[in-house]
Amino acid sequence: AQSVTQPDIHITVSEGASLELRCNYSYGATPYLFWYVQSPGQGLQLLLKYFSGDTLVQGIKGFEAEFKRSQSSFNLRKPSVHWSDAAEYFCAVGAGGYQKVTFGTGTKLQVIP
Amino acid sequence: NAGVTQTPKFRILKIGQSMTLQCAQDMNHNYMYWYRQDPGMGLKLIYYSVGAGITDKGEVPNGYNVSRSTTEDFPLRLELAAPSQTSVYFCASSYIGGSNEQFFGPGTRLTVL
Repeated sequence: AQSVTQPDIHITVSEGASLELRCNYSYGATPYLFWYVQSPGQGLQLLLKYFSGDTLVQGIKGFEAEFKRSQSSFNLRKPSVHWSDAAEYFCAVGAGGYQKVTFGTGTKLQVIP
Repeated sequence: NAGVTQTPKFRILKIGQSMTLQCAQDMNHNYMYWYRQDPGMGLKLIYYSVGAGITDKGEVPNGYNVSRSTTEDFPLRLELAAPSQTSVYFCASSYIGGSNEQFFGPGTRLTVL
């Protein structure tokens, strides 16, 4: 069965600092991988996705993520965090089509001035 | 396009009451999903549908029912509400042939007292 682990429940960074959120997945074949962001009181919005090709994918709001098959990881990065990035971030893995997508438990990001 | 819409935004129920959470999408997506989100638990799939007239159970279907009579609408029915159903409910949709990138509604916050 597929699974996703986000080891950090809560992360605090200073505005302007770099950010890396960790995600490890378990899946038997090449997975579809996603990062979503959820602002307080809102639904989830897709930041970026990977399913083939270049292992470094660019997303919206200046985020990027790198797929590393050997480490079963799909970490999310941003070089300089803005206060508006404070939110909860979810990594997810799926098989494409209508197949189930499994979400991680989320990492809550706090940004301090 | 409105995307995925959900009503109501908030609701308080008494134990044993019933209600229907409404979900509609205007993107002509075939696939639709219901999730519940509990603190620290990520998103759990309740039910999903691959098209009008076709539904199937997800991870946590007990206490819920769904129907899909049209492509646009996917209501979730709670029968005999219990405190364990206190949660935030999200509806999502995705399109055939895609990577299963899901588009989420804004959520319904339900409290059962």
